Amino acid sequence: QKEVEQDPGPLSVPEGAIVSLNCTYSNSAFQYFMWYRQYSRKGPELLMYTYSSGNKEDGRFTAQVDKSSKYISLFIRDSQPSDSATYLCAMTSPETGANNLFFGTGTRLTVIP
Amino acid sequence: EAQVTQNPRYLITVTGKKLTVTCSQNMNHEYMSWYRQDPGLGLRQIYYSMNVEVTDKGDVPEGYKVSRKEKRNFPLILESPSPNQTSLYFCASSPERGNQPQHFGDGTRLSIL
Repeated sequence: QKEVEQDPGPLSVPEGAIVSLNCTYSNSAFQYFMWYRQYSRKGPELLMYTYSSGNKEDGRFTAQVDKSSKYISLFIRDSQPSDSATYLCAMTSPETGANNLFFGTGTRLTVIP
Repeated sequence: EAQVTQNPRYLITVTGKKLTVTCSQNMNHEYMSWYRQDPGLGLRQIYYSMNVEVTDKGDVPEGYKVSRKEKRNFPLILESPSPNQTSLYFCASSPERGNQPQHFGDGTRLSIL
């Protein structure tokens, strides 16, 4: 079993839709959770960074962590064609720190105008 | 502009011909790492470095070498490349203090024939 599981998609939605991207994980020690966005031919760029459980909102993006279910989500409201990218979840624990980020395989999202 | 710079961006070469991929960051980050990204496998860490002259193996270090003689540079060396090292490679950096998100370069696509 992989440490982090993520549905690879692809996911296609119409412009303006609400998008839900999800990851599950097996290691209960994970406490730091990140979402990266990766455009074609570019490196991953940090989108959201949360610690422990709860929600964090940044503009149209909301990151949600449910540690009891070992489940994290990224919601995109009013999705735009510019949101078309691959979204990677990543997580780590205080013990491993930045040395050892565990990544999902990424979900490819296309927002259709 | 804060960035991680990789060179070359694309390289096609043959089995056994030594190659080096350079990585440089201008953020004075202590921590640097190399990943490879393969379809269905996501990002896997090859090597990382906590600071100058301190390097350690990641999850998939076989066939790779690194060095960290200066804080800003972290080259990836393939002494005798093989076709199974054909992949998309990313360099990343972050501050030393724990659990800080990593900043990624734009990637190097290597094809080993």
